[in-house]
Amino acid sequence: DQQVKQNSPSLSVQEGRISILNCDYTNSMFDYFLWYKKYPAEGPTFLISISSIKDKNEDGRFTVFLNKSAKHLSLHIVPSQPGDSAVYFCAASGGDMRFGAGTRLTVKP
Amino acid sequence: DGGITQSPKYLFRKEGQNVTLSCEQNLNHDAMYWYRQDPGQGLRLIYYSQIVNDFQKGDIAEGYSVSREKKESFPLTVTSAQKNPTAFYLCASTPTRRRNQPQHFGDGTRLSIL
Repeated sequence: DQQVKQNSPSLSVQEGRISILNCDYTNSMFDYFLWYKKYPAEGPTFLISISSIKDKNEDGRFTVFLNKSAKHLSLHIVPSQPGDSAVYFCAASGGDMRFGAGTRLTVKP
Repeated sequence: DGGITQSPKYLFRKEGQNVTLSCEQNLNHDAMYWYRQDPGQGLRLIYYSQIVNDFQKGDIAEGYSVSREKKESFPLTVTSAQKNPTAFYLCASTPTRRRNQPQHFGDGTRLSIL
């Protein structure tokens, strides 16, 4: 039972433009959400997180938005850079952490 | 330079054979986790350990076993009872047992059946 879903397996954007990665969840008990980034042949690395008491968290070029009523979160990358090309996983926690299947982002020069 | 080391990077298993995946961390983290990743799916929790000499089953523990004899080590054994072991295995850790913390991951072990 997939409690965290990333419905877009891939996304391609032009360098300098905005990348928007989306994630939906079903469990209303989740209260902490994270995004991880994964390069080939490496493990995921933590990127940014947000608590359910907030609706936005920003860190440099990365912003995570949380819409609790829609059970939806998104990651915005502005401006996108070729080095951002990777697989992005969203995760949600209410105790145990649940992961989405990932979205492969390609940023074209 | 602290981190999590998983070995080997690639592993092949013969039918009926048990294999052990190594996970070592020098981050002084209390909690450690094993996940399995299959194509098109999110990471699924196999086992986790919040403290030395204690571990708990995750969502898909059948066919796997673990031990936590030392704080820095959390090896995973894929037994012959695991009928579909081909997957990418990731080990992770968190500083404490407190919930809602980012996890630090190793670079993974890819296990295949011969």
